[in-house]
Amino acid sequence: QKEVEQNSGPLSVPEGAIASLNCTYSDRGSQSFFWYRQYSGKSPELIMSIYSNGDKEDGRFTAQLNKASQYVSLLIRDSQPSDSATYLCAVNIISSGSARQLTFGSGTQLTVLP
Amino acid sequence: DGGITQSPKYLFRKEGQNVTLSCEQNLNHDAMYWYRQDPGQGLRLIYYSQIVNDFQKGDIAEGYSVSREKKESFPLTVTSAQKNPTAFYLCASNGVSTLGANYGYTFGSGTRLTVV
Repeated sequence: QKEVEQNSGPLSVPEGAIASLNCTYSDRGSQSFFWYRQYSGKSPELIMSIYSNGDKEDGRFTAQLNKASQYVSLLIRDSQPSDSATYLCAVNIISSGSARQLTFGSGTQLTVLP
Repeated sequence: DGGITQSPKYLFRKEGQNVTLSCEQNLNHDAMYWYRQDPGQGLRLIYYSQIVNDFQKGDIAEGYSVSREKKESFPLTVTSAQKNPTAFYLCASNGVSTLGANYGYTFGSGTRLTVV
């Protein structure tokens, strides 16, 4: 089992719809969870961080964390063509030996259709 | 402005040649990382360093070397032993709060290495 798993996609949604991206992780001791957006040919940029169970909203983005189910998701409301990118889930896996080091999922490619 | 600077943006390597990729940060972060990304693939960890003068191998360290002589700098050398070095290389750093909260990684803009 991979330590951080994401649906590889690709995921296509129409403009204005809600895009839902999912991520599961293996380490119950994980404390920090992040979503990065990576445009083609560019480096990843941090868009959301979440540390506690529940929802965290920032503009059109909502991160959801359920530690009991070892599940973190990202919802993008009112999706725009400019949201088309690969979204990477990152988790600090305690068994890696460092609380700072993040383990990344393989990413989900999102396409928002005009 | 605080951030991570990678140079060069594009690099071409001849067969059998060693090349060095630069990574400099002014974020005062202790931890720095090097990742490799192949087209359509995820990030693979090459090396990381938690503190000056110390570094650890990641998942794909063979054919690569690093040094960490200064907190701000973490250069990566791609040696001739790396048989398939063409990829996008990303440097990252991260910090933690005084209470230990992980702020996540800040990435540089990357170096695209091509073997010619």
